[in-house]
Amino acid sequence: LAKTTQPISMDSYEGQEVNITCSHNNIATNDYITWYQQFPSQGPRFIIQGYKTKVTNEVASLFIPADRKSSTLSLPRVSLSDTAVYYCLVGDRMDSSYKLIFGSGTRLLVRP
Amino acid sequence: GAVVSQHPSWVICKSGTSVKIECRSLDFQATTMFWYRQFPKQSLMLMATSNEGSKATYEQGVEKDKFLINHASLTLSTLTVTSAHPEDSSFYICSVSRSPLHFGNGTRLTVT
Repeated sequence: LAKTTQPISMDSYEGQEVNITCSHNNIATNDYITWYQQFPSQGPRFIIQGYKTKVTNEVASLFIPADRKSSTLSLPRVSLSDTAVYYCLVGDRMDSSYKLIFGSGTRLLVRP
Repeated sequence: GAVVSQHPSWVICKSGTSVKIECRSLDFQATTMFWYRQFPKQSLMLMATSNEGSKATYEQGVEKDKFLINHASLTLSTLTVTSAHPEDSSFYICSVSRSPLHFGNGTRLTVT
């Protein structure tokens, strides 16, 4: 299982774009990259998933370079409610056991 | 996406008693579910993989006789914390094995 490394914390202000980068140097060929958001006393919430290049949905974008050894979650125009912990995980989604190991995550604080 | 329901959302019990936590997959038949534990300000730690109709697989360091897992149907997995002690106080989260992984809202266990 690929290990991920993220910054421990980040600060931002309302309305700014936030980019959180995750390193996963030993990502395997079948591994996908998935990002989750967690608020205190809640379970993680799925944000976005990708394999390569760029993926965009209504809340975020995910940029993955060609070597796939890192990925960047981009949150456009953050608000106070985006203050949370963000986790980057990699794993083989075609594997029936598909267990995900969480790294330390990035604690994002959005200030007014 | 998959809807995962956990019950109870919080529980307080006395030291030495047992507590059962339920995890239900409401819209997906889950042959595999995962149980995580999270201490304050820390990341999620995988405890075990729950397999429908067979024994659970426990991560290293997790006592299988203390954390009993039963996955009797495709929609329900239960985690029983036996002879709970204050150090078992934590946030327990289950997830359903599908891509992407979906999580329950967690159960806050406090052992007095």
